[in-house]
Amino acid sequence: AQSVTQLDSQVPVFEEAPVELRCNYSSSVSVYLFWYVQYPNQGLQLLLKYLSGSTLVKGINGFEAEFNKSQTSFHLRKPSVHISDTAEYFCAVSPTAFQKLVFGTGTRLLVSP
Amino acid sequence: EPEVTQTPSHQVTQMGQEVILRCVPISNHLYFYWYRQILGQKVEFLVSFYNNEISEKSEIFDDQFSVERPDGSNFTLKIRSTKLEDSAMYFCASVRTGEAFFGQGTRLTVV
Repeated sequence: AQSVTQLDSQVPVFEEAPVELRCNYSSSVSVYLFWYVQYPNQGLQLLLKYLSGSTLVKGINGFEAEFNKSQTSFHLRKPSVHISDTAEYFCAVSPTAFQKLVFGTGTRLLVSP
Repeated sequence: EPEVTQTPSHQVTQMGQEVILRCVPISNHLYFYWYRQILGQKVEFLVSFYNNEISEKSEIFDDQFSVERPDGSNFTLKIRSTKLEDSAMYFCASVRTGEAFFGQGTRLTVV
């Protein structure tokens, strides 16, 4: 079975500062890794995904993540955040391309001026 | 860009009543899912559906829940006798290789 840990429930940051949202996973098999963003009162939008290949994955809105197999991590980064990045961010894992997603508990990113 | 559509956006129902949540997945996708998110908690898998049958279900998905794809386009989640603890945001998703597309969700409030 897979599990995902997002240690930070909330990350406050000032506008234009860099940010890293941490995600660690546990799995006995190879996994696909995802980051989703949820803006207030909206659904889940895919930010980026790691399926195979390069361990550095670039997504939408300037976000990127690095898959580290030895540390079982998939941390999300952005070099300079905007107020509009304020949202809930969920890391998720799946054993295949078509099986269910297992989500972490989410990290609320709060960007202030 | 194609999207997953869910209706209604908000449903209020009395405890014990039946509710049907509706989803229109992306037309050429083959795998469909329901997830739920209780307020302030993480998103949890409920059920997956492929080739007109359930392919996997979670412990949450007990006998009061059912899913069907009655007409080849809509994908519904029925809760037969709602409980207070069923209050949550319910998300439908359809999947193509490596990416799940989520609807905007239905907020179910059981009173």
